[in-house]
Amino acid sequence: AQSVTQPDIHITVSEGASLELRCNYSYGATPYLFWYVQSPGQGLQLLLKYFSGDTLVQGIKGFEAEFKRSQSSFNLRKPSVHWSDAAEYFCAVGANRDDKIIFGKGTRLHILP
Amino acid sequence: EPEVTQTPSHQVTQMGQEVILRCVPISNHLYFYWYRQILGQKVEFLVSFYNNEISEKSEIFDDQFSVERPDGSNFTLKIRSTKLEDSAMYFCASRDRIGYGYTFGSGTRLTVV
Repeated sequence: AQSVTQPDIHITVSEGASLELRCNYSYGATPYLFWYVQSPGQGLQLLLKYFSGDTLVQGIKGFEAEFKRSQSSFNLRKPSVHWSDAAEYFCAVGANRDDKIIFGKGTRLHILP
Repeated sequence: EPEVTQTPSHQVTQMGQEVILRCVPISNHLYFYWYRQILGQKVEFLVSFYNNEISEKSEIFDDQFSVERPDGSNFTLKIRSTKLEDSAMYFCASRDRIGYGYTFGSGTRLTVV
């Protein structure tokens, strides 16, 4: 069964600084990988997804993620964060197009002014 | 952009009462899901639904839970006799057949008192 680990529960960065949120997955075959963002009291918004092809995936709001099979990782990056990026970020993995997706425990991002 | 709509946004119910959470998936989507998120915890899969039947369900989805697509547009989650531990945010999601367009609704916050 697939699983997702987000090792950082909280991350604090200064506005304008770069950001990297870590995600490691466990799955025997090529996974379907996702990053979702959740603002307080809100739903889940898809930032980006990886199915196949180019391992560097561009998403909305200036985010990107890189799939590294050798490291079983799918880290999320942003070159310069904005105060509005403060939220909880969830990495998720699916086994195939027909399957449920499994979420990590999330990383809460705090932005310093 | 098409949305998954969930109603109500917040529901308070007494322990032992039945609740029905409602979702209107995106109109051309074929796969439907319910997830829940207990406060401060990760998002957990409950059930998937395709072709008018349950495709998969988690251990959480016991006999107290049921799902239905009563009229071709709504997708409902029923909890027959609510418990305090059912208090959570419940997310509906839907997906099309091509391209894995997996979209979440904004959630229903259920509070059992």
